[in-house]
Amino acid sequence: AQKVTQAQTEISVVEKEDVTLDCVYETRDTTYYLFWYKQPPSGELVFLIRRNSFDEQNEISGRYSWNFQKSTSSFNFTITASQVVDSAVYFCALNSGGYQKVTFGTGTKLQVIP
Amino acid sequence: SQTIHQWPATLVQPVGSPLSLECTVEGTSNPNLYWYRQAAGRGLQLLFYSVGIGQISSEVPQNLSASRPQDRQFILSSKKLLLSDSGFYLCAWSVRGVGEQYFGPGTRLTVT
Repeated sequence: AQKVTQAQTEISVVEKEDVTLDCVYETRDTTYYLFWYKQPPSGELVFLIRRNSFDEQNEISGRYSWNFQKSTSSFNFTITASQVVDSAVYFCALNSGGYQKVTFGTGTKLQVIP
Repeated sequence: SQTIHQWPATLVQPVGSPLSLECTVEGTSNPNLYWYRQAAGRGLQLLFYSVGIGQISSEVPQNLSASRPQDRQFILSSKKLLLSDSGFYLCAWSVRGVGEQYFGPGTRLTVT
């Protein structure tokens, strides 16, 4: 069974602050894939990143960075110097066991206040 | 490049009326296709997924059904809508096997 937990329901930060969105996952499989998606107010989900279980290297893309730690089953997402355009709901997701479907967390709503 | 289309963008339907939402993908072949529903302020609920023409897996028993008449076409239907069917319906596709999903713009359905 797969499970993704995003304990932070809503976060508010002031513009230019750094913010970390937490994601904890559960799976019994040794091969799995983790994802982050952004859902702006318009509603369409936007794919941000995919991480394979055998690659624990952290990734940075502009103001975005991701910290993957298998030891704690976490895949956290940090936004540096947040901007108002970062306001959205962010979903963490997991695929494991070779299944064709993905398990999504319940999402974290981020509000960046100008 | 790949593109996913959904229509209509918004829909208001009375209880008991039928429903048909369509999703098409361009620029790829043999995609996995998915239908999700998102209630207001809630997470994503997987409704159906398909790995090929005519192959539909249902995740939640309800009054909705899905069909895949063509490789890149996915249709969500209902014979009689319920109030509880209101929500934001998202179609998505992914490459066969394990891969990230790409979502369409969604359909906001209000059942009155």
